[in-house]
Amino acid sequence: KAGVTQTPRYLIKTRGQQVTLSCSPISGHRSVSWYQQTPGQGLQFLFEYFSETQRNKGNFPGRFSGRQFSNSRSEMNVSTLELGDSALYLCASSLDLDTEKLFFGSGTQLSVL
Amino acid sequence: QQQVKQSPQSLIVQKGGIPIINCAYENTAFDYFPWYQQFPGKGPALLIAIRPDVSEKKEGRFTISFNKSAKQFSLHIMDSQPGDSATYFCAASNGGSTLGRLYFGRGTQLTVWP
Repeated sequence: KAGVTQTPRYLIKTRGQQVTLSCSPISGHRSVSWYQQTPGQGLQFLFEYFSETQRNKGNFPGRFSGRQFSNSRSEMNVSTLELGDSALYLCASSLDLDTEKLFFGSGTQLSVL
Repeated sequence: QQQVKQSPQSLIVQKGGIPIINCAYENTAFDYFPWYQQFPGKGPALLIAIRPDVSEKKEGRFTISFNKSAKQFSLHIMDSQPGDSATYFCAASNGGSTLGRLYFGRGTQLTVWP
């Protein structure tokens, strides 16, 4: 069974640009969460999607958005990139909204220059 | 505000030693406490988890000790091996429909010398 797949693996953007990251959950998993990982702030929750609906949202500005498609695949978008958005963006999937076990992908490393 | 506080930031032990990583929380609504292991270039992987109705859980060489009254929990790694060298994160969640929202500690970088 394939794990959580995130694309692209690495991304370099400049300030002011926007970026879209993609996540394919484990087959059969319906819940997808996104986290930002930085050396300074650690792992921080961005948002969670289930059945194409955002169920939970973390403390991030509106420049961070996401969506989930009917096949459970998810994308997150960051507009008007800032230097501080440089981070590893991790996607995690779980079977259902109330399933404890989260499976993380290897992440997308975003560098903003 | 860090909802889960983790210590130490880094830990070095010799092979066979028993590293202990500690975490503390304030929110009494938390009812699920997992530990994740992360290797360089990989995402975190669930190692072991506990709920507050038990004081200890053991899986292989990994043990969680939980102290509900002190709002603290810790990870013990028995007979540590060089392959255990990784970053360990404790986390907590409110459970139920918010299980996907984990509050993570800042992480402990463990190095096990052969």
